[in-house]
Amino acid sequence: DAGVIQSPRHEVTEMGQEVTLRCKPISGHNSLFWYRQTMMRGLELLIYFNNNVPIDDSGMPEDRFSAKMPNASFSTLKIQPSEPRDSAVYFCASRDNRGGNTIYFGEGSWLTVV
Amino acid sequence: AQTVTQSQPEMSVQEAETVTLSCTYDTSESDYYLFWYKQPPSRQMILVIRQEAYKQQNATENRFSVNFQKAAKSFSLKISDSQLGDAAMYFCAYRSPNTGNQFYFGTGTSLTVIP
Repeated sequence: DAGVIQSPRHEVTEMGQEVTLRCKPISGHNSLFWYRQTMMRGLELLIYFNNNVPIDDSGMPEDRFSAKMPNASFSTLKIQPSEPRDSAVYFCASRDNRGGNTIYFGEGSWLTVV
Repeated sequence: AQTVTQSQPEMSVQEAETVTLSCTYDTSESDYYLFWYKQPPSRQMILVIRQEAYKQQNATENRFSVNFQKAAKSFSLKISDSQLGDAAMYFCAYRSPNTGNQFYFGTGTSLTVIP
């Protein structure tokens, strides 16, 4: 079975540009999470969705960040405009609410904003 | 909110030896789930082992086992016969069935395996 698929794997962009990160959860999973990992702050939960509905976005740093999940198989995390302090690894993860207790992570998107 | 504490930022172990990584957590709940994730240099987060709080028996997965002490709120990971491929960051995580899908992660322990 395919795991959580994220794209792009690596992105380097200039400050002020829009960045869109994409995620395809594991088929059949109905919860999706976006995490950010930095050396300073470790793993931070940005937002999660249940059945495509955002449940908790309190971790989203500011209005420059937005996330959508238009259907059960796709989600995006957008940063507009990007800033150097947004440089991090962004992970998407998914979980099956109907009995699964484990979340499964994608390989991450390495973002560098210069 | 629940907190997860990993008090060892770095650990090292000789190849073939055993190492224990510590994790403590703070909760008022009686039912929850605990996990250890491994993050190698590739950065992918890989599930190592999980434990349901209602189970008294410690979980085991091949060379990986846990020492779950519910009263002490402690959840340590033991790696036996350490291999070079075990070198990674290890994260302890807590999930409550009562707070939706929140997973709380510790700050991680960086494990070095010495040949």
